[in-house]
Parts: sequence; structure tokens; C-alpha cells
Amino acid sequence: EIVLTQSPATLSLSPGERATLSCRASQSVSSYLVWYQQKPGQAPRLLIYDASNRATGTPARFSGSGSGTDFTLTISSLEPADFAVYYCQQRSNWPITFGQGTRLEIK
Amino acid sequence: EVQLLESGGGLAQPGGSLRLSCAASGFTFSNYAMSWVRQAPGKGLEWLSAISGSGSTIYYAVSVQGRFTISRDNSKNTLYLQMDSLRAEDTAFYYCAKDLFVRMKVVVDYWGQGTLVTVSS
Repeated sequence: EIVLTQSPATLSLSPGERATLSCRASQSVSSYLVWYQQKPGQAPRLLIYDASNRATGTPARFSGSGSGTDFTLTISSLEPADFAVYYCQQRSNWPITFGQGTRLEIK
Repeated sequence: EVQLLESGGGLAQPGGSLRLSCAASGFTFSNYAMSWVRQAPGKGLEWLSAISGSGSTIYYAVSVQGRFTISRDNSKNTLYLQMDSLRAEDTAFYYCAKDLFVRMKVVVDYWGQGTLVTVSS
């Protein structure tokens, strides 16, 4: 199965700063990479699909990039609501797999 | 408005069984693939299984293959997960998840609220 490794495990930043989250796949997933945001006590929320397509309702400050094995989720200017855990997920091969998550916390 | 409402969670003994249900509304259920995803308390997400809109195509994670069975009843707009031979490591919140696309692509645009399964003697 494809292993997704997210880095860093925890990212400490301040509101207004730029956040860069990484997801690396153990083999190519083409552009079939999805990003979710999860807040405590809530179900995950779809942010980005197929590497760079914003889901309906995803603010423009969120952008995704990458292909093959290396992907990035960028939040251009952090707002208080953005502090959460972010997961990447590949849909290139069965079984579907998730990364272990990056916790974005307020510095 | 899309709604996914899971039920059937609770306490089960090791080696026991539970059946989860997910009642769907607000969309044409039979058109969309569905998945089950779980999350152990304080841990990350784990995809378990997916089923096509017709029910004819099914995939499982290795960790549950042979123990869990996904199914759906499109006449009742309901998704199921039959969980047998439960283990302590199956303890988690179980989420029902709807695919964004009509074709099975496992891009989840709607999630249920989750139901907690605890496996313990």
C-alpha cells in the first residue's frame, strides 16, 4: 500500500503568517491527492482534491500543489479558524491511505 | 441538505460483532459511492472500505479484509458495516462518508458525525 508521510508533525505559527504543509507519497500517486482539515470534536472537512482543486466553500487562502510523490498545502495568511489538524489522502491506488496528520497550532 | 446519520455503535466484546448503519438523506443515494472511515481516539484517519453506488464494486483495507463487510440498501438510503471478529484495536469512531463524485473516487465531501465503537471485555 502507498504510505503518505506528512511533515512537520506539528507546525506552530501566528495568525497572518504563511503555512506550508508537506505530504510525501512512497510511490507516485499522480495528482490524486486530497487534503482535509479536522477540528477537535468534528468530522474532517474536504479542502482540496486532486492536488490543487479547491472544494466548494474552501477559502482562496488555501492552495494545493504537487504531483507524483511530493505535495504541498499552503495557507497564505493564517486566520484563527485555520488552526486544526490537516490530513492528506491518496486515491490513486487501493487501498486508500491517509497521512498521519499535521497539527497546526497557534504560536 | 446532505445528512449522514450513523448508528449502531457501542460496546462489544473481543471476538464479537456489531453492525453499523448510516442513514443518508439530501442527495440521490444510489448515485454515489460511499465509504467507512475510522479514527481511534486521539489518532489519525483510517479508510476501511468503499462501495459503489450500485453496490457491485467493493474495496477493503487490509486491516479489516475478511472481518468487516460493507453493504448498502438503496431502497432505504442506508449504508451498513458488518463488523465481526472484533479486536481491541478496532476501538474507534466510525464515520460514514459520501463521495464527491458519482464515480467511485473516494474524495469525501460529506461525513457523518461518527459513532463510537469500543471493543473491550
